[in-house]
Amino acid sequence: DVKVTQSSRYLVKRTGEKVFLECVQDMDHENMFWYRQDPGLGLRLIYFSYDVKMKEKGDIPEGYSVSREKKERFSLILESASTNQTSMYLCASSSGRESLTDTQYFGPGTRLTVL
Amino acid sequence: AQKVTQAQTEISVVEKEDVTLDCVYETRDTTYYLFWYKQPPSGELVFLIRRNSFDEQNEISGRYSWNFQKSTSSFNFTITASQVVDSAVYFCALSEDRDDKIIFGKGTRLHILP
Repeated sequence: DVKVTQSSRYLVKRTGEKVFLECVQDMDHENMFWYRQDPGLGLRLIYFSYDVKMKEKGDIPEGYSVSREKKERFSLILESASTNQTSMYLCASSSGRESLTDTQYFGPGTRLTVL
Repeated sequence: AQKVTQAQTEISVVEKEDVTLDCVYETRDTTYYLFWYKQPPSGELVFLIRRNSFDEQNEISGRYSWNFQKSTSSFNFTITASQVVDSAVYFCALSEDRDDKIIFGKGTRLHILP
């Protein structure tokens, strides 16, 4: 079974803090993704990566950056957290051996609250 | 442009009833993929099915079945003899072969009442 883990289920931070959300997958997947999920807006893609040290902007990259130093780990960084970044953050990975549209498998999510 | 519409925002049914979740999509591509995911209260999205545009056969997996109709651009999901554990938010999603993103619908929240 594919296993995607995220470092925290719940996180509370203060405005202006630097926040790291970590995601690890154990299936040797090429592609990894970060989404945020908000009521009424569904899932929105923040960033994705199709290889180590590669990254691509998704639909809402502003205010975020990412890091992929190792194949299994994909980090989402909030350089200076703001209250409008309070959300549920979901990490996903996919094989990538067929295409970028391979099935994505999701982690349990991190519910981030910025005060 | 891609678009996935799940017109039912919330549905409630009594346990053991059958329920169908609707999904309508828009795409100009001939090659595309459709997905269904389940998000239980715990929050994790669970993959249910992936179907490519060339395979219009309906699929059944236990109490779950999917009806793919290209003529109406729909990919509907039916749960037979629903159970309380089926209570979740269900997402339909679309991806085109030339693109690198999956576009999710807004989801349908399903309540199965005991």
